[in-house]
Amino acid sequence: AQSVSQHNHHVILSEAASLELGCNYSYGGTVNLFWYVQYPGQHLQLLLKYFSGDPLVKGIKGFEAEFIKSKFSFNLRKPSVQWSDTAEYFCAVNALAGNTPLVFGKGTRLSVIA
Amino acid sequence: EAGVAQSPRYKIIEKRQSVAFWCNPISGHATLYWYQQILGQGPKLLIQFQNNGVVDDSQLPKDRFSAERLKGVDSTLKIQPAKLEDSAVYLCASSLAGGPSSGNTIYFGEGSWLTVV
Repeated sequence: AQSVSQHNHHVILSEAASLELGCNYSYGGTVNLFWYVQYPGQHLQLLLKYFSGDPLVKGIKGFEAEFIKSKFSFNLRKPSVQWSDTAEYFCAVNALAGNTPLVFGKGTRLSVIA
Repeated sequence: EAGVAQSPRYKIIEKRQSVAFWCNPISGHATLYWYQQILGQGPKLLIQFQNNGVVDDSQLPKDRFSAERLKGVDSTLKIQPAKLEDSAVYLCASSLAGGPSSGNTIYFGEGSWLTVV
C-alpha cells in the first residue's frame, strides 16, 4: 500500500521568501503525484499533478514541484510567497495500476506573515 | 460548472446518536469517494464507488459506518452509533470514471463537519 510523508507540520515564512515543502512517498510501483491546497474556510483544490513526462511540473499561482524518482520525492516549491498563500498543503499519491484512490500525507500548514 | 455539493455543513450530536451526510457529485462523474479528515491529519479514504458499485471499502468501520449510492449519482454516508473519535470533517469527492489512475482529477466538496459530544 502507498503512504506519504510530509516533513514539516507548520512552516512560517515572511512575504517574498522562497518556499519548499517536502513530500516523500512509499510505493514500489508507478505512481501519480499530486499537491492539493486548502485555503482557510475553503475546500481542497488541486494545485498541480504529475502523471508522466517532464519531472518538473508547474501548477497554478506560481507553484511548481519536482518528481525525483530515485528519492521517492515530490517537493513543492515557490520562489516568492505571498500572504495569500497561507493555507494547508497536502501531498497525495495514487498507484497507476487499477482504479485506486488518493492517499494523502498529514499536511503542512503554511503561514505567511507580512 | 457546479462543484461537489455536501450537506449538512455542520452537525453536532451526542455519542451513540446517528447522523447522515449527503453528497451530490459533479454531473457525469462516475467515481465518488468519501474521505474522513480528523483535525491535524490528512484525508483518509472511507469508501469509493464506481457508479453504484463499491470499489474499495477496506477502511470503512462497517460496524458503525455505512454508505450507499443507489442510483449511481448522489450518495449518503451514515454513522450509527457515533463515537467521540468520529469527530472529523467528512469529505465527498468525485472524478470521471477510472479516477486519477486514468489521468482524471478528483474534485472535493466543502465537507461536513461533525462534532460528537
